[in-house]
Amino acid sequence: TQLLEQSPQFLSIQEGENLTVYCNSSSVFSSLQWYRQEPGEGPVLLVTVVTGGEVKKLKRLTFQFGDARKDSSLHITAAQTGDTGLYLCAGTGAGSYQLTFGKGTKLSVIP
Amino acid sequence: DTAVSQTPKYLVTQMGNDKSIKCEQNLGHDTMYWYKQDSKKFLKIMFSYNNKELIINETVPNRFSPKSPDKAHLNLHINSLELGDSAVYFCASSQTGTYNEQFFGPGTRLTVL
Repeated sequence: TQLLEQSPQFLSIQEGENLTVYCNSSSVFSSLQWYRQEPGEGPVLLVTVVTGGEVKKLKRLTFQFGDARKDSSLHITAAQTGDTGLYLCAGTGAGSYQLTFGKGTKLSVIP
Repeated sequence: DTAVSQTPKYLVTQMGNDKSIKCEQNLGHDTMYWYKQDSKKFLKIMFSYNNKELIINETVPNRFSPKSPDKAHLNLHINSLELGDSAVYFCASSQTGTYNEQFFGPGTRLTVL
């Protein structure tokens, strides 16, 4: 069973601060995704990374896939209240239909 | 315009009852999923259908039975509901060849009293 550990579990920061969320595993993933879930809604896909060392940017969000494809990070620059939500990483093993989710990082951005 | 829809949004019922949740996607995807999200927000796969064929069937009580009448629909029927079944159930869909990128429905909050 492939497990994804996310840290921190909870994060509360002031608007304008920077933050990094981590997603780690002992398993290799063929691809890794990040989702954001807001209260009362389903998760929404933010990004997919597939190549070791890959970096993708989505406005103030920067996503990185580890060189060995076992870990990933999400960095938010100058956080805004609209970034508040549950951030989930999810990975797929080679040839698998199944997406394994981490337990999430609950981010609160305080005005 | 809704991509993945679920009904109902909320479901409150008594222990022992039987209930169904319906899911439809209009994205033309070939794979659909049911997930359970517990009170700690952990999202766990329950079932997946690819082109109406069951491909993922995790360790779930056999009181839960999925049915896929066609590629656009995946329903979940639950028999003899128990208190521990209370959770939010999400339907999702994806297309083969897109790294399992999933599009989720809005969820169904099931409360068993």
